[in-house]
Amino acid sequence: SQQGEEDPQALSIQEGENATMNCSYKTSINNLQWYRQNSGRGLVHLILIRSNEREKHSGRLRVTLDTSKKSSSLLITASRAADTASYFCATEGGSEKLVFGKGTKLTVNP
Amino acid sequence: DTEVTQTPKHLVMGMTNKKSLKCEQHMGHRAMYWYKQKAKKPPELMFVYSYEKLSINESVPSRFSPECPNSSLLNLHLHALQPEDSALYLCASSQGYARRRRSTEAFFGQGTRLTVV
Repeated sequence: SQQGEEDPQALSIQEGENATMNCSYKTSINNLQWYRQNSGRGLVHLILIRSNEREKHSGRLRVTLDTSKKSSSLLITASRAADTASYFCATEGGSEKLVFGKGTKLTVNP
Repeated sequence: DTEVTQTPKHLVMGMTNKKSLKCEQHMGHRAMYWYKQKAKKPPELMFVYSYEKLSINESVPSRFSPECPNSSLLNLHLHALQPEDSALYLCASSQGYARRRRSTEAFFGQGTRLTVV
């Protein structure tokens, strides 16, 4: 069963613009993670934010977490064509069970 | 070595065949996962192995049979599959939980694209 719901489902922007993707979830979590998947390939871990953290940065990525609203956002700044991929949030709620949301398909146009 | 290796990359099998998918990691991870992903959908969790023991089975049909021979290897045995089982099968590993909780950041293989005819 999927826990996370990403918004929007698809996003198309120009190179250099920022991209923001949102994720909402339903139950309590230990952490929330974001992954990237290039077309038809394996997923790559981008960033993990724990339930007691509110914001985290990694390079051009910024993740926020609002546990009261059960939501998270991923911001990619100064996007590049190589950022074109599907982005998924995944929640981990106390076991080793990692459950993925529906994903956002990001297209960055050169 | 931060790789999870899956073989084969592609597999076509008939509904009466028996085949196996293989997954290997040498990162010392103690949790290993099988996910199924249909086109344009998110990965769906199938099984989790923790310290070589099956810890989670997400009500997967018995025609899928996982096996963890040792801490580095994970197999998925397939038998009497249906065409709707055609999908990308992803293996992943993470440090998992121990006496002190560790990260569940998962490392994924490139997947096996399975077609059932």
